[in-house]
Amino acid sequence: KAGVTQTPRYLIKTRGQQVTLSCSPISGHRSVSWYQQTPGQGLQFLFEYFSETQRNKGNFPGRFSGRQFSNSRSEMNVSTLELGDSALYLCASSLAGPLYNEQFFGPGTRLTVL
Amino acid sequence: SQKIEQNSEALNIQEGKTATLTCNYTNYSPAYLQWYRQDPGRGPVFLLLIRENEKEKRKERLKVTFDTTLKQSLFHITASQPADSATYLCALVGDKIIFGKGTRLHILP
Repeated sequence: KAGVTQTPRYLIKTRGQQVTLSCSPISGHRSVSWYQQTPGQGLQFLFEYFSETQRNKGNFPGRFSGRQFSNSRSEMNVSTLELGDSALYLCASSLAGPLYNEQFFGPGTRLTVL
Repeated sequence: SQKIEQNSEALNIQEGKTATLTCNYTNYSPAYLQWYRQDPGRGPVFLLLIRENEKEKRKERLKVTFDTTLKQSLFHITASQPADSATYLCALVGDKIIFGKGTRLHILP
């Protein structure tokens, strides 16, 4: 069974630009969660999508948004990039959600904002 | 606000010994606690989940305890091996999921 895939793996952007990251979950998984990981703050929950609906959201500004398609693939968008958005962005898929089920993480997208 | 702390940023353990990692939390009442392993350049890998009404959980050389009175979880790796070297993350699960910053474990040959 193929794992969670994320594209692109690396990305360099400049301040003010926007970026879209993509995540393909494990086949059959309907929940996709997104996380930001930085050395200072660790792994922080951004939001979770289940069956194309945002079901849970962390404490991030509105510049961070996402969506999920009918095939469960998900995209995350960050608008008006700031230097502090440089991080590893991870997505994780699970059968029914990250709270009470095992999550499977992808390899992440390393975003650098210059 | 909720706070989760893992005992140290880095821990060195001699091969063959038991490695014990600590996860403490405050201002939260999690229903579950999860432990993950993360290797450099990779996403975390789920290891174990323990419920609030469970005191202990085991999986091969791994053992997790959960003390809701002390607000603490201990993660043990027995007969540690150099291949166990990685960063280990704990996560509290209630109405949301909160991760600790992790402990880098080095098993010295």
